[in-house]
Amino acid sequence: EAGVAQSPRYKIIEKRQSVAFWCNPISGHATLYWYQQILGQGPKLLIQFQNNGVVDDSQLPKDRFSAERLKGVDSTLKIQPAKLEDSAVYLCASSSRLGTGGGETQYFGPGTRLLVL
Amino acid sequence: KNQVEQSPQSLIILEGKNCTLQCNYTVSPFSNLRWYKQDTGRGPVSLTIMTFSENTKSNGRYTATLDADTKQSSLHITASQLSDSASYICVVREYSSASKIIFGSGTRLSIRP
Repeated sequence: EAGVAQSPRYKIIEKRQSVAFWCNPISGHATLYWYQQILGQGPKLLIQFQNNGVVDDSQLPKDRFSAERLKGVDSTLKIQPAKLEDSAVYLCASSSRLGTGGGETQYFGPGTRLLVL
Repeated sequence: KNQVEQSPQSLIILEGKNCTLQCNYTVSPFSNLRWYKQDTGRGPVSLTIMTFSENTKSNGRYTATLDADTKQSSLHITASQLSDSASYICVVREYSSASKIIFGSGTRLSIRP
């Protein structure tokens, strides 16, 4: 079974530029998550999709971050414009279902490491 | 506020030794608690999952414990190997329709030969 794919693996941009990350979840997984992981910290949830609908985007800085999951499969996360503090690893994860209890396992991609100069 | 606190922040031990990582949480209502291993440059990988009624769960040399009354969990690693060098993240899921997930900051474990 193929895992969660992410691209690019690394990105270096200057502040105020725009950047986009792509995620392809495990086939058949309905739930997709984007996380921001700053060095030395645990992942912080940015947005959670169930199919192509947003379940939780309460921690997404909506003035500069946006995400979409067209057709309930692949997803893109965009930052426009980027700030220095956006330097982090952006992790995508998917799971097979969402429900009260949430016993399903999240499978993480390798992440995209972003450096904003 | 739902929180997950891990200790220590970092730990260095010699190969072959045992160690125990701690996780305290205030998440309520509680659904389950997972321990993840995150190798450098990789995404986290689930090691164990524990629900309210489970006290202990093992996965090879990894043994997780859960005390739901005191809201504490531990991850014990036996006979450590160099490949155990990684960050170990405690993750607690809330029991709700939104099923919120709260991540700890992790413990950075280094195994020295």
